[in-house]
Amino acid sequence: EAQLVESGGDLVLPGGSLRLSCAASGFTFTSYWMYWVRQGPGKGLEWVSRVHRDGNRPTYADSVKGRFTISRDNAKNTLYLQMNSLRVEDTAVYYCARVGPAALDDPFDLWGRGTMVTVSS
Amino acid sequence: SYVLTQPPSVSVAPGQTARIACGGNNIGDKSVHWYQQKPGQAPMLVVYDDSDRPSGIPERFSGSNSGNTATLAISRVEAADEADYYCQVWDSSSDVYVFGAGTKVTVL
Repeated sequence: EAQLVESGGDLVLPGGSLRLSCAASGFTFTSYWMYWVRQGPGKGLEWVSRVHRDGNRPTYADSVKGRFTISRDNAKNTLYLQMNSLRVEDTAVYYCARVGPAALDDPFDLWGRGTMVTVSS
Repeated sequence: SYVLTQPPSVSVAPGQTARIACGGNNIGDKSVHWYQQKPGQAPMLVVYDDSDRPSGIPERFSGSNSGNTATLAISRVEAADEADYYCQVWDSSSDVYVFGAGTKVTVL
């Protein structure tokens, strides 16, 4: 069964850093573009970042550009999100998700259960 | 940037049909996907590419897309359908994934 499991969420001070991980299993990880999507408390879904199957060509939402870095280790079937200069407004549940394998406008067809990031003093 | 507009809430009696609109500029030219999210759970895909259903999703869920509006319809609504529903597209011109703000479906 295909599965995504996030980890690494925590309480962090404004300006701090955190690294999220997402372990994939049950499918061919290298066939899919991988994504991070977040959801603030009581808010809607917001796309955060995308990385190509080979780990190249990362893209970011304007709200996190220059502060967050997405990466993947295909040997470990794991996706990462390095979050620096965290702000209160980054507080959210962060979901790992996949799209594809055919096209960039394919749906998010598999989601993890999410990991909570709280940025507060 | 591309914007998707959804009504905040829709109320429907059991057994009736709920319709959720998702408005966007020429959205009919894009592939629209719909997600269901229940409290404390991750989103789940219920309709993709405007009108297709993933395996395991009941036929009661259907979608359409034309002009400036895409619509998710849930027929013979059940209590278990009570959830938030989000529409989503990929805006190729800006290479951004866009979600609507979500619609809360309440079963009366």
